[in-house]
Amino acid sequence: DVKVTQSSRYLVKRTGEKVFLECVQDMDHENMFWYRQDPGLGLRLIYFSYDVKMKEKGDIPEGYSVSREKKERFSLILESASTNQTSMYLCASSPPDLSYRHYEQYFGPGTRLTVT
Amino acid sequence: GENVEQHPSTLSVQEGDSAVIKCTYSDSASNYFPWYKQELGKRPQLIIDIRSNVGEKKDQRIAVTLNKTAKHFSLHITETQPEDSAVYFCAASIFGWDGLTFGKGTHLIIQP
Repeated sequence: DVKVTQSSRYLVKRTGEKVFLECVQDMDHENMFWYRQDPGLGLRLIYFSYDVKMKEKGDIPEGYSVSREKKERFSLILESASTNQTSMYLCASSPPDLSYRHYEQYFGPGTRLTVT
Repeated sequence: GENVEQHPSTLSVQEGDSAVIKCTYSDSASNYFPWYKQELGKRPQLIIDIRSNVGEKKDQRIAVTLNKTAKHFSLHITETQPEDSAVYFCAASIFGWDGLTFGKGTHLIIQP
């Protein structure tokens, strides 16, 4: 059973703080993703990584960075948190197998971040 | 980049009736089209997906159709049940492993 965990369910930070969101998966998946989810906007891809130390920008990377030092861990960093980054952040992972069924993304429970 | 439009934003159907949710995409290079279901307070979960070399796929009460020429795909749920109430998201991707572009979601309400 795939398990994707995120370090916090709820987080409150102040404007200007540096914020770290951690995600860990236990299924040896190559691919990991960070999305943010806002009401009426769906899920939007921030960054993804297809291998250790590799990262690619998604659709909304501005104001964020990521780190992948180990295969199982993918961190999202808000360099200087702003109120418009208040959101639900979802991490996901998927295996690398090119066979059709293995594109499924497994999501973590989410971190609800509030920036005040 | 890719843009995915999803309609309707809210859909209310009587229990036992069918529900159809439609999506269009902009990037003709997209090849992979999954649908995710998110129940209230829970994480999204894949319910069905389709690749561009297939026109239709069924799994029990749910089916997805794809028209690559018109760049649209649809989710069909038959014999709806109360447990089908959730938010449904369509998505598109070129390779599958390169991240998904999601639609804004459809809130499906099953009326008893």
